[in-house]
Amino acid sequence: EAGVTQSPTHLIKTRGQQATLRCSPISGHTSVYWYQQALGLGLQFLLWYDEGEERNRGNFPPRFSGRQFPNYSSELNVNALELEDSALYLCASSLSAGALSSYNEQFFGPGTRLTVL
Amino acid sequence: GNSVTQMEGPVTLSEEAFLTINCTYTATGYPSLFWYVQYPGEGLQLLLKATKADDKGSNKGFEATYRKETTSFHLEKGSVQVSDSAVYFCALSDLSGGSYIPTFGRGTSLIVHP
Repeated sequence: EAGVTQSPTHLIKTRGQQATLRCSPISGHTSVYWYQQALGLGLQFLLWYDEGEERNRGNFPPRFSGRQFPNYSSELNVNALELEDSALYLCASSLSAGALSSYNEQFFGPGTRLTVL
Repeated sequence: GNSVTQMEGPVTLSEEAFLTINCTYTATGYPSLFWYVQYPGEGLQLLLKATKADDKGSNKGFEATYRKETTSFHLEKGSVQVSDSAVYFCALSDLSGGSYIPTFGRGTSLIVHP
C-alpha cells in the first residue's frame, strides 16, 4: 500500500514569490496535516484538513493557506515568501478525526524542501 | 499551553552502547505520549506510544515509560546499532485547545558509530 506522497521533493523560490506544495494521503485517510520543520525548531503545526474542511490552524500568518480536494489530497500555499519560510514541509495523514474522541496515528510523507532565496 | 523539551543532540554512541534520550513535557490535560523517528531522507514514523501513567511503550528494542510524577517519557535502548542513526522526536497529544494536534519536541539526532 502506498504511503503519503508529497511533491515536489525540492522547491526553490525567491522572496515575494508564491509556493504550492502538494500531498496525497494514504488511501482511506481523510485527515491531512501540514507541519513546518525549520532547522533547529522541530515540527510546528500549520494546518489540519478533514473531510474537505479546515479544522484547525497553527500560529502562522494568513499567507500560509491550503485546501483539501474531494479525493482528500491537499495543497499548501505560501504567498509572499520570506527568507525564514525556508524549511522542510511535512504532510501527514490519518483516519478521520471524527468527533475528536481519540488520537489517530499520523503517517508522514518524506517532505518538500522549500528554499527561499 | 503544551510543550515538549528534549535533550539537545547530537548524541554520538558506539555500536552496542546504551541509549537514553531525555524528554519532559508540560500539558494542560492528560496527554498521550509518543516517540517518532525520522531516518535520513524520510518522513517521521511512530516508534512507540503510551497513553496513561506507568504505561511502557516498546518497539524494535526501544522503550519509554510514562512517568506522570516527573512529567517525563525518556527513550531507552539497551544496545544501539548503526541502523538506529536517525532523529528522534518526543511528542504529546491531548484535547486541550479542542483537538488532538500533537506537540513535538525539537528532535534529538543520534549518531551510532561501528
